[in-house]
This record gives sequence, structure tokens and C-alpha cells, in this order.
Amino acid sequence: DAMVIQNPRYQVTQFGKPVTLSCSQTLNHNVMYWYQQKSSQAPKLLFHYYDKDFNNEADTPDNFQSRRPNTSFCFLDIRSPGLGDAAMYLCATSRGQQGGNTEAFFGQGTRLTVV
Amino acid sequence: GDSVVQTEGQVLPSEGDSLIVNCSYETTQYPSLFWYVQYPGEGPQLHLKAMKANDKGRNKGFEAMYRKETTSFHLEKDSVQESDSAVYFCALSATNRDDKIIFGKGTRLHILP
Repeated sequence: DAMVIQNPRYQVTQFGKPVTLSCSQTLNHNVMYWYQQKSSQAPKLLFHYYDKDFNNEADTPDNFQSRRPNTSFCFLDIRSPGLGDAAMYLCATSRGQQGGNTEAFFGQGTRLTVV
Repeated sequence: GDSVVQTEGQVLPSEGDSLIVNCSYETTQYPSLFWYVQYPGEGPQLHLKAMKANDKGRNKGFEAMYRKETTSFHLEKDSVQESDSAVYFCALSATNRDDKIIFGKGTRLHILP
């Protein structure tokens, strides 16, 4: 059974039109991550939460926002998608340092196309 | 800052060949080390891990030894199979940091029949 679920698997959005990607988890993990992965590149961390504590990477554009309303769900909002934001977006979870295990569990990703 | 450097680009062994994919890390803390594998169209999944120095991670014939003295975590296999074809990422998570996981750039393994 899938433990980290991302919806949708494929998303097409118009240039400049806000879009939201969603992630849910059944693992009850404290930490949730959002990564951006472009073709043939490593996943790039955008931000992560430890519970409700938000940690933004210094080079994450302001165009990217996130919400975590509860333990199970986390959302990635792209306020004005540009062509350069087309990528695979990966959600992941872990128990985190305080939980004693930083092994990350990834969802299958959402492939975002901007037209 | 923390970083991971691994064999870049594509590796093209033939089925039955032995394999080493290099991974070196840099951190001032005490990391946990991971190899993740990613198949086309999917998210990465944990392949193997080592939590402390001299631990050896193992999975499906692959091994990686956590070597603190050389700050390395090379991925090795005696005899690769066509089904091993995928992209492999070396990664670290540093103790006493926040919960970031730092990835290397990935190595595409394509096994020739």
C-alpha cells in the first residue's frame, strides 16, 4: 500500500496560473519534504517541515509556497508558474533526527507541465 | 556546507560485470548515509543505508561500506543484472543538523545485455 501519496501524478497548468500539488502520508512521520527534480538531475530540496515548523531553503524562489495543515497532508503552491518550473515534484517524509531515523520515503511524484 | 559527490553521468557495464559507483561526502557532523534508486517515472526509493562508521548496507547483492577515514560510501556489486538498470543517488543526513537530506547528482546505470 502506498505510504506517501501524491496527487495528481500529472498536472498541466498555464503559464502564470496558480497551481497546487498535494501530498498525504499514512506513516505519521514528523518531517515532510518537497523536492523539485528536473530531467537527469538530482532532487533539489525546496523546503521541509518538522511538524508545523517550516524550513525554507535559501535559494527557493518566493513563487513557491507550502502549507501543512496537519500531520498527514502537505501542499505545494506555485503562485505564478513559469516555463522553468516544469519538473517532477517529489514529496517525502521521515521520522527526522528527533524520531531517530532520517530515512526518507518518497511519493511517486507529480510531473508538472507548464504551457 | 554538507555535500555529496558521486560518479557522474552514465555507467555501462555488461551483465555479469562487477560494479563500483563512487560516493564521497563532506560534513562536519556525523552523517547517516544512503543509496537511493530511482526507476523511470517513479520517486526515489531507499536502496540501502548505513547509520554509523564501519556499518555495511546491503540489498539485492549490492553493498556499501561507511568509511569514516576516507569519507566514502561506494556502491559495489559483484555481478550486475539487467534489472539493476536505474539511476542511483548517494545521500547523507547529518546528525545534529536539521532534517535535511543532501543528494549527490546521481549515476545512471545501464546494464548491457
